Amino acid sequence: KNEVEQSPQNLTAQEGEFITINCSYSVGISALHWLQQHPGGGIVSLFMLSSGKKKHGRLIATINIQEKHSSLHITASHPRDSAVYICAVSKDSNYQLIWGAGTKLIIKP
Amino acid sequence: NAGVTQTPKFRILKIGQSMTLQCTQDMNHNYMYWYRQDPGMGLKLIYYSVGAGITDKGEVPNGYNVSRSTTEDFPLRLELAAPSQTSVYFCASSSTNRDGYTFGSGTRLTVV
Repeated sequence: KNEVEQSPQNLTAQEGEFITINCSYSVGISALHWLQQHPGGGIVSLFMLSSGKKKHGRLIATINIQEKHSSLHITASHPRDSAVYICAVSKDSNYQLIWGAGTKLIIKP
Repeated sequence: NAGVTQTPKFRILKIGQSMTLQCTQDMNHNYMYWYRQDPGMGLKLIYYSVGAGITDKGEVPNGYNVSRSTTEDFPLRLELAAPSQTSVYFCASSSTNRDGYTFGSGTRLTVV
């Protein structure tokens, strides 16, 4: 079993829909990261969470440490949100990030 | 703000050739990383550094070498390139291992 599991693997939605991407992990972590990889390949760090909730524009990330679960929400989705969204965790014990497989999001106009 | 700068953006190598992928950051970050991403796959850590003069192997270090003589620079050296090293390479940095990461734009390498 992978230490970081994301769902869904693929998600297609209509413009304006509320989007939720989930991430579950099975190891002790010091932080959880949400990243976005554009179709052109560039990777952007969206959030780094160790507790609670963070919001940036239309993006909201939450984490429940007890349940070892995080969600990334996109409100009022737009075609430009189409990308691969990746969850990654920093383990307590070392410096490496453990990467989820990513969620490919397509927003149709 | 330049952030993390990687060069070159694209490169084609012949089997057995060598090259260095350059990575420079101007944020005074202590932590720097090299990842590779194969088509349709997630990122795999090649090497990382927690400060000048300190480097360590990641998940897939074979066929690569790194050095960290300054805080700013973290070059990745490929010796004797092989087709299995065809990939997109990303350099990243962070202030600590508990901070967000900043990624370079990537180097698309093809070994033929």
